[in-house]
Amino acid sequence: IQLTQSPSFLSASIGDRVTITCRASQDIRSDLAWYQQKPGKAPKLLIYAASTLQSDVPSRFSGSGSGTEFTLTISSLQPEDFATYSCLQVFSSLCTFGQGTKLEIK
Amino acid sequence: QVQLVESGGGVVQPGRSLRLSCAASGFIFSNFAMHWVRQAPGKGLEWVAVILFDGSNKYYAESVKDRFTISRDNSQNTLYLEMNNLRAEDTAVYYCARSLSGWLHDAFEIWGQGTMVTVSS
Repeated sequence: IQLTQSPSFLSASIGDRVTITCRASQDIRSDLAWYQQKPGKAPKLLIYAASTLQSDVPSRFSGSGSGTEFTLTISSLQPEDFATYSCLQVFSSLCTFGQGTKLEIK
Repeated sequence: QVQLVESGGGVVQPGRSLRLSCAASGFIFSNFAMHWVRQAPGKGLEWVAVILFDGSNKYYAESVKDRFTISRDNSQNTLYLEMNNLRAEDTAVYYCARSLSGWLHDAFEIWGQGTMVTVSS
């Protein structure tokens, strides 16, 4: 199963609302997670089961979608949100990640 | 606290072998499926392999199938990745990650800090 994220790069300002999309090559129900990764650090789980917020993750992060199209939304960008975001499908026994979206400060 | 610590990375020549370890603490290791994920320099994340909570089933990415072997020792709270016939394209930071449950189809909740593997002559 292939995951395609868009955009690959995103430039935004503090306070902006941003949306990242992840499209699957086949129906994966809601078996999708979102991760945030900062340089030199391990990924951090933000959202699982497409829309469930992981504990201790700020409520400005939200996820939606099912089937083949999913979105991660950050409602009001904070300085600490500038990072790379990746989706992960766990529908198949062979998991796959999207290629990543780098969110940069405008 | 809940923690995963990888070890065993280093520089290895093409065609040689290496074994990575991941020591778990702060949770009941035998209750959870475990994964290996890698990230080549400047690239995205690539899932490598998974092993169920009891070691009964294992699955591998096509890129490592028949070369890498995932295993676990629940008595020692340790996950392993045996890597054989290493190639330059296996150069990456290798992370171990704990699933949300003992089974497949769950996100990876807890991650280690990673260990670097460099395949070069």
